[in-house]
Amino acid sequence: AQKVTQAQTEISVVEKEDVTLDCVYETRDTTYYLFWYKQPPSGELVFLIRRNSFDEQNEISGRYSWNFQKSTSSFNFTITASQVVDSAVYFCALSEAESGGSNYKLTFGKGTLLTVNP
Amino acid sequence: ETGVTQTPRHLVMGMTNKKSLKCEQHLGHNAMYWYKQSAKKPLELMFVYSLEERVENNSVPSRFSPECPNSSHLFLHLHTLQPEDSALYLCASSQDQGDNEQFFGPGTRLTVL
Repeated sequence: AQKVTQAQTEISVVEKEDVTLDCVYETRDTTYYLFWYKQPPSGELVFLIRRNSFDEQNEISGRYSWNFQKSTSSFNFTITASQVVDSAVYFCALSEAESGGSNYKLTFGKGTLLTVNP
Repeated sequence: ETGVTQTPRHLVMGMTNKKSLKCEQHLGHNAMYWYKQSAKKPLELMFVYSLEERVENNSVPSRFSPECPNSSHLFLHLHTLQPEDSALYLCASSQDQGDNEQFFGPGTRLTVL
């Protein structure tokens, strides 16, 4: 069975600080996908990134960066120079690439509430 | 309208009421999903539709009844709900059933009294 753990329930930082959100996953599959979503107070989940299990290269997109480490089953998310608009709940998710077209099944972590204070 | 829209955004209902949640996607996708988001719990997949056919019912009680009249619209009909059904109900869509890049709507915040 697959499982996603986001151990940090809440994080509070001051604007311009860097912050890392942790995500640890469990899966028996060798082929899988990892995701991060952002949920602002408006409620909509905003897709941030999808990474497949064969691509361990770290990714940077503006102030966002992701560190994928298969050896520790982690897919951590770092926001550099945080801003108040980054305040949201962030979800990590896992999808196993099953045959038969069932890889729509996303297993979500419980989320981390990030508050960035001015 | 773009993306995935949901109406109403907020709904309060009694346990004996019947109401419906509506989702519409403007992305030309073929698969649509209902999720339930309760406080302190991970998102739970409820139903999956692909090309208007239900492909997944994730052990959801019969008081929740989905309907997908076409690939752009998805409804969730609610009947005799319980207070523990109070949650944020999120709709999502993806290009196909096998595509795990899902686009979410803003959700309907449901309160059952």
